[in-house]
Amino acid sequence: ELKVEQNPLFLSMQEGKNYTIYCNYSTTSDRLYWYRQDPGKSLESLFVLLSNGAVKQEGRLMASLDTKARLSTLHITAAVHDLSATYFCAVHVTNTGNQFYFGTGTSLTVIP
Amino acid sequence: DSGVTQTPKHLITATGQRVTLRCSPRSGDLSVYWYQQSLDQGLQFLIQYYNGEERAKGNILERFSAQQFPDLHSELNLSSLELGDSALYFCASSVSPKNTEAFFGQGTRLTVV
Repeated sequence: ELKVEQNPLFLSMQEGKNYTIYCNYSTTSDRLYWYRQDPGKSLESLFVLLSNGAVKQEGRLMASLDTKARLSTLHITAAVHDLSATYFCAVHVTNTGNQFYFGTGTSLTVIP
Repeated sequence: DSGVTQTPKHLITATGQRVTLRCSPRSGDLSVYWYQQSLDQGLQFLIQYYNGEERAKGNILERFSAQQFPDLHSELNLSSLELGDSALYFCASSVSPKNTEAFFGQGTRLTVV
């Protein structure tokens, strides 16, 4: 079964700092999604990455995909408190049907 | 508001019972996905429908079933409920079944007592 591992699971950082969340997966896929979830809330789509080398940026967040390394990153620049949430990556596998696998999530706390 | 509507928001029921969760996708979306989120299992994909037909199956138990109706709303039926079925169940929808962005509903929190 495909494994999707996020690192770190918990992240506490000060405002203004930079950090990267990593998402490793164990099978071939060229479709990866990043979501944000606030406590008790639904998942909000952040990025859709559909090809090797894809890079997308929105505000202080930037996501990239390296399908050869089976790795996606979510980079946070100059963190602010409003970014505190849990971030999930999700891998979409289409070569053996149509399956979606979520990572374990990274709980981010930005300290003022 | 994502445009995906799930009802009910909260559900408390006893072990052995059966419940139905309902999802209305965003206007224009033909694909519906169901997910289960629990503390021990994380976020798990259950099943996907596209225009009324099942397109993909994940870790869905045999006690669970789903369908998508002609008006594109979907229902997830959970039967012979166990304590371990307590979780947040999300529905998501997208325009097509493959590579487009999926929008999530607010979820139904199921508590089995």
